[in-house]
Amino acid sequence: GQNIDQPTEMTATEGAIVQINCTYQTSGFNGLFWYQQHAGEAPTFLSYNVLDGLEEKGRFSSFLSRSKGYSYLLLKELQMKDSASYLCAVTDSNYQLIWGAGTKLIIKP
Amino acid sequence: ETGVTQTPRHLVMGMTNKKSLKCEQHLGHNAMYWYKQSAKKPLELMFVYNFKEQTENNSVPSRFSPECPNSSHLFLHLHTLQPEDSALYLCASSQVGSHSGTDTQYFGPGTRLTVL
Repeated sequence: GQNIDQPTEMTATEGAIVQINCTYQTSGFNGLFWYQQHAGEAPTFLSYNVLDGLEEKGRFSSFLSRSKGYSYLLLKELQMKDSASYLCAVTDSNYQLIWGAGTKLIIKP
Repeated sequence: ETGVTQTPRHLVMGMTNKKSLKCEQHLGHNAMYWYKQSAKKPLELMFVYNFKEQTENNSVPSRFSPECPNSSHLFLHLHTLQPEDSALYLCASSQVGSHSGTDTQYFGPGTRLTVL
């Protein structure tokens, strides 16, 4: 079966750095997405990786290793507004999106 | 503002009611999706429409009935629901290319459904 694993919940301190990991086992791979979802709101697109390496976008970076079936989302200089759920999703060989259950990130002052 | 709107934002209904959820996308996309989101579970894809044609129906019970009159509008008709159908129902849209993995989906804010 196809599976996306990410931690259920993480806690970090304002101003610090946090890394949210995602591992996947899918039938084929055509890209990996990270979305942010604040409570009661729509998931919003953060990043897309299809090649190995690090993609940096301001305070957020996303890394991919296809050989390891692994990605992480790195958030720097954490702000209180970063408290949200972070969803990892992989496009499989049929171009279907397979979703993880999300990681709830709690930022403390 | 993501360009995808959903109404109503909240809905409480009894098991014998009939209601409809509405989604509209203002992004010029050619594909629309219905998802179910339950607490601590992955998003569950329910239905997909490409160019107004339904291309996926992921074993969704018949008490959920989708309708896509054009590329900008999507409905989910609900009837005789069960309490376990209570969840957040999300609509999304994307521009589907020639098997491009970068068909980023853009989501609406969802309808929080409670079935009593």
